[in-house]
Amino acid sequence: QQQVRQSPQSLTVWEGETAILNCSYENSAFDYFPWYQQFPGEGPALLISILSVSDKKEDGRFTIFFNKREKKLSLHIADSQPGDSATYFCAPHRAGGYKVVFGSGTRLLVSP
Amino acid sequence: GALVYQYPRRTICKSGTSMRMECQAVGFQATSVAWYRQSPQKTFELIALSTVNSAIKYEQNFTQEKFPISHPNLSFSSMTVLNAYLEDRGLYLCGASGGYAEQFFGPGTRLTVL
Repeated sequence: QQQVRQSPQSLTVWEGETAILNCSYENSAFDYFPWYQQFPGEGPALLISILSVSDKKEDGRFTIFFNKREKKLSLHIADSQPGDSATYFCAPHRAGGYKVVFGSGTRLLVSP
Repeated sequence: GALVYQYPRRTICKSGTSMRMECQAVGFQATSVAWYRQSPQKTFELIALSTVNSAIKYEQNFTQEKFPISHPNLSFSSMTVLNAYLEDRGLYLCGASGGYAEQFFGPGTRLTVL
Protein backbone atom coordinates (compact mmCIF):
# COMPACT_ATOMS: atom_id res chain seq x y z
CA GLN A 1 0.00 0.00 0.00
CA GLN A 2 1.48 3.27 -1.11
CA GLN A 3 0.53 5.85 1.47
CA VAL A 4 2.15 8.87 -0.15
CA ARG A 5 2.10 9.60 -3.87
CA GLN A 6 3.99 12.30 -5.66
CA SER A 7 3.60 13.61 -9.18
CA PRO A 8 5.04 14.19 -11.62
CA GLN A 9 7.94 11.77 -11.31
CA SER A 10 10.11 14.29 -13.10
CA LEU A 11 9.61 17.87 -14.14
CA THR A 12 11.55 20.27 -16.34
CA VAL A 13 10.90 24.00 -16.26
CA TRP A 14 12.71 27.02 -17.64
CA GLU A 15 14.52 29.39 -15.36
CA GLY A 16 12.06 31.95 -14.01
CA GLU A 17 8.99 29.74 -14.34
CA THR A 18 6.97 28.34 -11.45
CA ALA A 19 7.44 24.65 -10.77
CA ILE A 20 4.48 22.82 -9.22
CA LEU A 21 5.05 19.54 -7.40
CA ASN A 22 2.12 17.49 -6.14
CA CYS A 23 1.64 15.15 -3.22
CA SER A 24 -1.33 13.12 -1.99
CA TYR A 25 -1.68 10.89 1.04
CA GLU A 26 -4.04 8.36 2.55
CA ASN A 27 -3.50 8.46 6.28
CA SER A 28 -5.87 10.96 7.92
CA ALA A 29 -3.71 10.92 11.04
CA PHE A 30 -0.91 12.79 9.27
CA ASP A 31 -0.82 16.37 10.44
CA TYR A 32 2.69 17.54 9.66
CA PHE A 33 3.80 17.87 6.06
CA PRO A 34 7.45 18.66 5.37
CA TRP A 35 9.03 18.87 1.97
CA TYR A 36 12.65 17.78 1.68
CA GLN A 37 15.14 18.75 -0.99
CA GLN A 38 17.84 16.28 -1.94
CA PHE A 39 20.84 16.95 -4.12
CA PRO A 40 22.77 14.04 -5.66
CA GLY A 41 25.05 12.35 -3.16
CA GLU A 42 23.54 14.10 -0.16
CA GLY A 43 20.86 13.40 2.41
CA PRO A 44 17.51 15.20 2.31
CA ALA A 45 17.29 18.64 3.83
CA LEU A 46 14.11 20.23 5.15
CA LEU A 47 12.93 22.89 2.71
CA ILE A 48 9.54 23.98 4.05
CA SER A 49 6.77 22.42 6.08
CA ILE A 50 3.13 22.96 7.01
CA LEU A 51 0.82 21.77 9.76
CA SER A 52 -2.64 20.55 8.86
CA VAL A 53 -4.29 23.49 10.62
CA SER A 54 -3.06 25.76 7.83
CA ASP A 55 -3.86 25.78 4.14
CA LYS A 56 -0.91 27.81 2.94
CA LYS A 57 2.67 28.37 3.97
CA GLU A 58 5.13 30.70 2.26
CA ASP A 59 8.86 30.97 2.64
CA GLY A 60 10.51 33.12 0.04
CA ARG A 61 10.03 31.52 -3.36
CA PHE A 62 8.58 28.34 -1.87
CA THR A 63 4.87 27.96 -1.09
CA ILE A 64 2.88 24.98 0.13
CA PHE A 65 -0.82 24.79 -0.66
CA PHE A 66 -2.66 22.27 1.49
CA ASN A 67 -6.13 20.77 1.04
CA LYS A 68 -6.98 18.66 4.06
CA ARG A 69 -10.34 17.52 2.76
CA GLU A 70 -8.85 16.10 -0.41
CA LYS A 71 -5.64 14.95 1.30
CA LYS A 72 -3.54 16.78 -1.21
CA LEU A 73 -0.82 19.35 -1.10
CA SER A 74 1.47 21.01 -3.56
CA LEU A 75 4.81 22.76 -3.49
CA HIS A 76 5.16 25.80 -5.72
CA ILE A 77 8.62 27.06 -6.53
CA ALA A 78 8.35 30.53 -7.99
CA ASP A 79 11.04 32.08 -10.20
CA SER A 80 12.79 28.72 -10.48
CA GLN A 81 16.58 28.80 -10.57
CA PRO A 82 19.04 26.22 -11.92
CA GLY A 83 20.20 25.74 -8.33
CA ASP A 84 16.73 24.43 -7.49
CA SER A 85 17.42 21.36 -9.63
CA ALA A 86 17.09 18.50 -7.16
CA THR A 87 14.74 15.76 -6.05
CA TYR A 88 11.91 16.85 -3.79
CA PHE A 89 10.26 14.53 -1.31
CA CYS A 90 6.93 14.96 0.40
CA ALA A 91 7.24 13.20 3.76
CA PRO A 92 4.15 13.50 5.94
CA HIS A 93 3.77 12.12 9.43
CA ARG A 94 2.09 12.73 12.72
CA ALA A 95 3.52 15.74 14.52
CA GLY A 96 5.34 14.35 17.52
CA GLY A 97 5.30 10.93 15.91
CA TYR A 98 8.46 9.45 14.57
CA LYS A 99 7.54 7.42 11.55
CA VAL A 100 8.09 9.52 8.44
CA VAL A 101 6.63 8.18 5.20
CA PHE A 102 8.47 9.40 2.14
CA GLY A 103 6.83 9.80 -1.22
CA SER A 104 8.61 8.58 -4.31
CA GLY A 105 10.00 12.01 -5.04
CA THR A 106 9.85 14.45 -7.94
CA ARG A 107 13.04 15.14 -9.84
CA LEU A 108 13.09 18.78 -10.85
CA LEU A 109 15.34 20.16 -13.55
CA VAL A 110 15.48 23.90 -14.09
CA SER A 111 16.96 24.78 -17.46
CA PRO A 112 18.74 28.11 -17.85
CA GLY B 1 20.80 24.59 15.92
CA ALA B 2 19.91 20.94 15.59
CA LEU B 3 22.29 18.87 13.54
CA VAL B 4 22.69 15.20 12.75
CA TYR B 5 26.03 13.74 11.74
CA GLN B 6 26.58 10.39 10.14
CA TYR B 7 29.81 8.53 9.55
CA PRO B 8 31.30 7.24 7.57
CA ARG B 9 29.88 9.18 4.64
CA ARG B 10 30.92 6.50 2.20
CA THR B 11 32.04 2.95 2.67
CA ILE B 12 32.80 -0.07 0.56
CA CYS B 13 32.65 -3.61 1.80
CA LYS B 14 33.06 -7.02 0.30
CA SER B 15 30.02 -9.18 -0.23
CA GLY B 16 29.31 -11.24 2.88
CA THR B 17 31.06 -8.90 5.29
CA SER B 18 29.52 -6.47 7.77
CA MET B 19 29.59 -2.74 8.08
CA ARG B 20 28.75 -0.46 11.00
CA MET B 21 27.47 3.09 10.62
CA GLU B 22 26.95 5.75 13.23
CA CYS B 23 24.61 8.66 13.82
CA GLN B 24 25.11 11.54 16.21
CA ALA B 25 22.61 14.23 17.18
CA VAL B 26 23.95 17.61 18.23
CA GLY B 27 21.96 20.47 19.70
CA PHE B 28 18.96 18.44 20.81
CA GLN B 29 18.07 15.24 22.57
CA ALA B 30 17.28 12.49 20.11
CA THR B 31 14.46 10.70 21.87
CA SER B 32 13.83 8.75 18.70
CA VAL B 33 16.06 7.68 15.87
CA ALA B 34 14.83 6.20 12.62
CA TRP B 35 17.04 4.46 10.08
CA TYR B 36 16.12 4.52 6.41
CA ARG B 37 17.58 3.09 3.25
CA GLN B 38 17.42 4.70 -0.16
CA SER B 39 18.23 2.14 -2.81
CA PRO B 40 19.25 3.27 -6.30
CA GLN B 41 16.35 4.96 -8.11
CA LYS B 42 14.05 4.48 -5.13
CA THR B 43 12.61 6.45 -2.26
CA PHE B 44 13.49 6.09 1.40
CA GLU B 45 12.36 2.89 3.10
CA LEU B 46 12.07 2.86 6.87
CA ILE B 47 14.22 0.10 8.34
CA ALA B 48 13.49 0.56 12.02
CA LEU B 49 12.52 3.07 14.62
CA SER B 50 14.26 3.33 17.96
CA THR B 51 12.59 5.30 20.75
CA VAL B 52 14.11 5.79 24.17
CA ASN B 53 12.61 3.45 26.74
CA SER B 54 10.89 1.39 24.08
CA ALA B 55 11.87 -1.65 22.05
CA ILE B 56 13.30 -1.04 18.61
CA LYS B 57 10.58 -1.62 16.03
CA TYR B 58 11.58 -3.05 12.66
CA GLU B 59 9.55 -2.66 9.51
CA GLN B 60 8.47 -5.54 7.35
CA ASN B 61 11.37 -6.95 5.29
CA PHE B 62 13.93 -5.73 7.82
CA THR B 63 15.11 -7.68 10.85
CA GLN B 64 17.25 -7.19 13.89
CA GLU B 65 19.30 -10.16 12.82
CA LYS B 66 20.28 -8.35 9.64
CA PHE B 67 20.31 -4.73 10.84
CA PRO B 68 21.08 -4.64 14.58
CA ILE B 69 20.65 -1.15 16.03
CA SER B 70 22.01 0.42 19.17
CA HIS B 71 20.58 3.59 20.73
CA PRO B 72 22.44 3.87 24.06
CA ASN B 73 21.76 7.54 24.82
CA LEU B 74 19.98 10.67 23.60
CA SER B 75 22.72 11.70 21.18
CA PHE B 76 23.99 8.53 19.54
CA SER B 77 22.79 5.56 17.52
CA SER B 78 24.50 2.97 15.39
CA MET B 79 23.34 0.37 12.94
CA THR B 80 25.24 -2.54 11.45
CA VAL B 81 24.53 -4.16 8.11
CA LEU B 82 25.43 -7.79 8.67
CA ASN B 83 26.47 -10.10 5.86
CA ALA B 84 26.02 -7.40 3.24
CA TYR B 85 25.13 -8.31 -0.31
CA LEU B 86 24.54 -6.36 -3.49
CA GLU B 87 20.89 -5.64 -2.67
CA ASP B 88 22.00 -3.87 0.52
CA ARG B 89 23.77 -1.11 -1.35
CA GLY B 90 22.35 2.38 -1.12
CA LEU B 91 22.22 5.48 1.03
CA TYR B 92 21.49 4.80 4.69
CA LEU B 93 19.87 7.72 6.40
CA CYS B 94 19.50 8.49 10.08
CA GLY B 95 16.59 10.67 11.15
CA ALA B 96 16.49 11.93 14.72
CA SER B 97 13.68 13.63 16.55
CA GLY B 98 13.47 15.35 19.90
CA GLY B 99 9.76 14.78 20.23
CA TYR B 100 8.59 17.75 18.21
CA ALA B 101 7.20 17.74 14.69
CA GLU B 102 10.42 17.91 12.78
CA GLN B 103 12.76 15.01 12.17
CA PHE B 104 16.35 16.01 11.43
CA PHE B 105 18.28 13.97 8.91
CA GLY B 106 21.96 13.33 8.58
CA PRO B 107 23.77 13.37 5.23
CA GLY B 108 23.66 9.60 5.01
CA THR B 109 26.17 6.78 4.73
CA ARG B 110 26.55 5.48 1.20
CA LEU B 111 27.24 1.75 1.15
CA THR B 112 28.77 0.06 -1.85
CA VAL B 113 29.00 -3.72 -1.83
CA LEU B 114 31.55 -5.41 -4.06
